[in-house]
Amino acid sequence: EPEVTQTPSHQVTQMGQEVILRCVPISNHLYFYWYRQILGQKVEFLVSFYNNEISEKSEIFDDQFSVERPDGSNFTLKIRSTKLEDSAMYFCASWREGNNEQFFGPGTRLTVL
Amino acid sequence: AQSVTQLDSHVSVSEGTPVLLRCNYSSSYSPSLFWYVQHPNKGLQLLLKYTSAATLVKGINGFEAEFKKSETSFHLTKPSAHMSDAAEYFCVVRTNYGGSQGNLIFGKGTKLSVKP
Repeated sequence: EPEVTQTPSHQVTQMGQEVILRCVPISNHLYFYWYRQILGQKVEFLVSFYNNEISEKSEIFDDQFSVERPDGSNFTLKIRSTKLEDSAMYFCASWREGNNEQFFGPGTRLTVL
Repeated sequence: AQSVTQLDSHVSVSEGTPVLLRCNYSSSYSPSLFWYVQHPNKGLQLLLKYTSAATLVKGINGFEAEFKKSETSFHLTKPSAHMSDAAEYFCVVRTNYGGSQGNLIFGKGTKLSVKP
């Protein structure tokens, strides 16, 4: 069964460093999403991406964040200069029209020290 | 604006007894509603979904949920809890029904504990 994959599973970084979180969506999906879950809090929408551009973003997704689909398979989330409060679990999801389910990856736990 | 409210942050049941996890939604139009489960240190797994077809929705692992428009509720139930059901459960509503984006709005989650 096809699935969304994410790498790495855990990333530790120093405050101010750049991180790139990687996702491989399901191959015939065209809509991609990033969500995050700060420890003990609910899952929050960050950004959606379609046709090589951002289609919607939340207020969390400020100028420190960017997304990219550098090739036909990967979908990345970059945090330019990490802050302590960026520590969270980041989930990638993908979706295609005609299917009402977003498929989630296992998540990347980001720890900013 | 759409939102979901999970009425209990923590529910504890004994193995073999029924499970009820409560969720109320707010939506200006007919919503798409979901329940996701997250086991410790795992990702999010879809349990079931409601998309304006049958109001009683059956999901995986014996879970089901009933969409009640008059009560704006979408409670999750299971007749008999199993130890492996211990996890966090999220009630979710999808935005832009019928649109191409379908961003998900999550409730705060209900942690289900199952006692032997």
